[in-house]
Amino acid sequence: QSVLAQPPSASGTPGQSVTISCSRGNSNIGGNAISWFQQVPGAAPKLLIYANNQRPSGVPDRFSGSKSATSASLAISGLQSEDEADYYCAAWDDSLNGVVFGGGTKLTVL
Amino acid sequence: QVQLQQWGTGLLKPSETLSLTCAVSGGSFTGFDWTWIRQPPGKGLEWIGEINPSGITRYNPSLGGRVSMSVDTSKKEFSLTLTSVTAADTAVYYCARSGFHDIAADFDPWGQGTLVSVS
Repeated sequence: QSVLAQPPSASGTPGQSVTISCSRGNSNIGGNAISWFQQVPGAAPKLLIYANNQRPSGVPDRFSGSKSATSASLAISGLQSEDEADYYCAAWDDSLNGVVFGGGTKLTVL
Repeated sequence: QVQLQQWGTGLLKPSETLSLTCAVSGGSFTGFDWTWIRQPPGKGLEWIGEINPSGITRYNPSLGGRVSMSVDTSKKEFSLTLTSVTAADTAVYYCARSGFHDIAADFDPWGQGTLVSVS
């Protein structure tokens, strides 16, 4: 069971918007920054969002991140077929003294 | 543009030792942390640990002391060793850089991945 909880699946049709959540059960998600990764089948994960809401160079602005005291979210607008992938959140965990990942969300573009 | 190229033994028997190395090219080796992450087939990502160019390490406690990492700054390489492997260690192992944005989990870029099977 992952320290960070994500819904196992999400879906949307082309052009729609979808949001994927990342939480820590009944606890606040904590003060450390959240990163989001995209992984298409057979490839290494790719950094999409760092520091809760920052996009690395080259990541389309259709991808955005946000964070509150209780959870973090990845929003994808203008859904495209190539967005079909697994998405993971991650953050430093002070109690474990290491990085923890969410269990991943499989996004299907219908 | 920084690139990571990794290699190592892909097939192991239970109780053997896993060894992987990752080489960094096209950018600076100092000033960042260098990380190993693994992904069992069909499952999610697990942080194994990290090392900085000074050799300071942090490991995932769940690996129970079986893991060690080393670094060779002259070659811009870092390595992972995992002892006493079992079938549960079967996974794709990735190397990655962290700390470019001063964030612990901003892993970018990643190596191509190495499938390690224990059977």
